Amino acid sequence: QVQLQESGPGLVKPSQTLSLTCTVSGASISSGSYYCSWIRQPAGKGLEWIGHIYTSGSTNYNPSLKSRVTISIDTSKNQVSLRLNSVTAADTAVYYCARGRAEVTSDPLDYWGQGTLVTVSS
Amino acid sequence: DMQMTQSPSSLSAFVGDRVTITCRASQSISRYLNWYQQKPGRAPKILIYAASSLPSGVPSRFSGSGSGTDFTLSISSLQPEDFATYYCQQTYSIPYTFGQGTKVEIK
Repeated sequence: QVQLQESGPGLVKPSQTLSLTCTVSGASISSGSYYCSWIRQPAGKGLEWIGHIYTSGSTNYNPSLKSRVTISIDTSKNQVSLRLNSVTAADTAVYYCARGRAEVTSDPLDYWGQGTLVTVSS
Repeated sequence: DMQMTQSPSSLSAFVGDRVTITCRASQSISRYLNWYQQKPGRAPKILIYAASSLPSGVPSRFSGSGSGTDFTLSISSLQPEDFATYYCQQTYSIPYTFGQGTKVEIK
């Protein structure tokens, strides 16, 4: 049973850095058939794709966040991390990590973490 | 960015009704289209991938069709547990954008 679990501070001060970790269990993220994505969702709103990372370390980011976001992978710990710099209240959201199937045409996200709420406030 | 527009934004239907949700891309995305279901307080769940493929474990009342710019998600016989918000997502180009969502309510 593949499971993903997000962890990190639930409260971040404005202008500081949001850091989250996604721990994958039940499967190795080292497999080249998969990748890991971060998606966020402000309260009552839709889903926003933040970016993703392949096991090679190759990344793609949303251009709207690219200057502030870094996604990294630690295959030894089966973890993927998200860092978002210079946060504002607009970054308040539930943050999800999800596993994508790179070997399938449309790269579907087949397993998701439960999500973690991050609030940006002083 | 590729714009994904869903219609309607919300709908209300009876148990047993056939429900159809539309997703339109601002440019052709071939079949690089996924559908997700999200229930309140829960993470999204994959429903359809590559426009029309059903993942294992998803009930057969769900189906998807389309290619290019126009796609549909259909629920053949709406069940009470289908109360949720449905999102389409394109994976043709970066950023992988989602539609704004369609909220399905049970009458």
